[in-house]
Amino acid sequence: DVKVTQSSRYLVKRTGEKVFLECVQDMDHENMFWYRQDPGLGLRLIYFSYDVKMKEKGDIPEGYSVSREKKERFSLILESASTNQTSMYLCASSPLQGREQYFGPGTRLTVT
Amino acid sequence: LAKTTQPISMDSYEGQEVNITCSHNNIATNDYITWYQQFPSQGPRFIIQGYKTKVTNEVASLFIPADRKSSTLSLPRVSLSDTAVYYCLAQLNFGNEKLTFGTGTRLTIIP
Repeated sequence: DVKVTQSSRYLVKRTGEKVFLECVQDMDHENMFWYRQDPGLGLRLIYFSYDVKMKEKGDIPEGYSVSREKKERFSLILESASTNQTSMYLCASSPLQGREQYFGPGTRLTVT
Repeated sequence: LAKTTQPISMDSYEGQEVNITCSHNNIATNDYITWYQQFPSQGPRFIIQGYKTKVTNEVASLFIPADRKSSTLSLPRVSLSDTAVYYCLAQLNFGNEKLTFGTGTRLTIIP
């Protein structure tokens, strides 16, 4: 079975802190994604990557950056956390372009 | 960028067949339609994917009519454990990874 793991299930940070959310997949997938999920807004794509060191902006990249130094790991970085970044963050991976995505359990981030 | 439209919520009784429709007016010939299921405090889980006519697996069926402007997810004989949010996803081009999830349909199964 494909396994996508995220470094934390729950995280509380203060405004202005730098936050790292880590995601690891164990199935040698080329593509990895970061989404955030908020009530009433569904899932929104922040960034995605289709290869090591490659990244593409999604629909809401402002305030975020990403890093993919190794194929299995995709990190989401909040350079200076703000309260409007309080959300559920979901990481996903997929083996081929256009194919189904496999999601991690999510990280619920609270910025106070 | 293709957008999908789904009903916000649906209710159904246990044992019934449930059909959830998704509208996608700008789909191209080789675009895929993918459905995901999400339970509270979990990430979405892939259910089914197709691009034309009918696809069936052990969980659900997916119907895409000839005009491809909509699709229908069919869940046979639902149970309480099928209560979840269901997302319809239209993938614009094979290789375009800028995917957009809709807001989903909250399905509630009533005993």
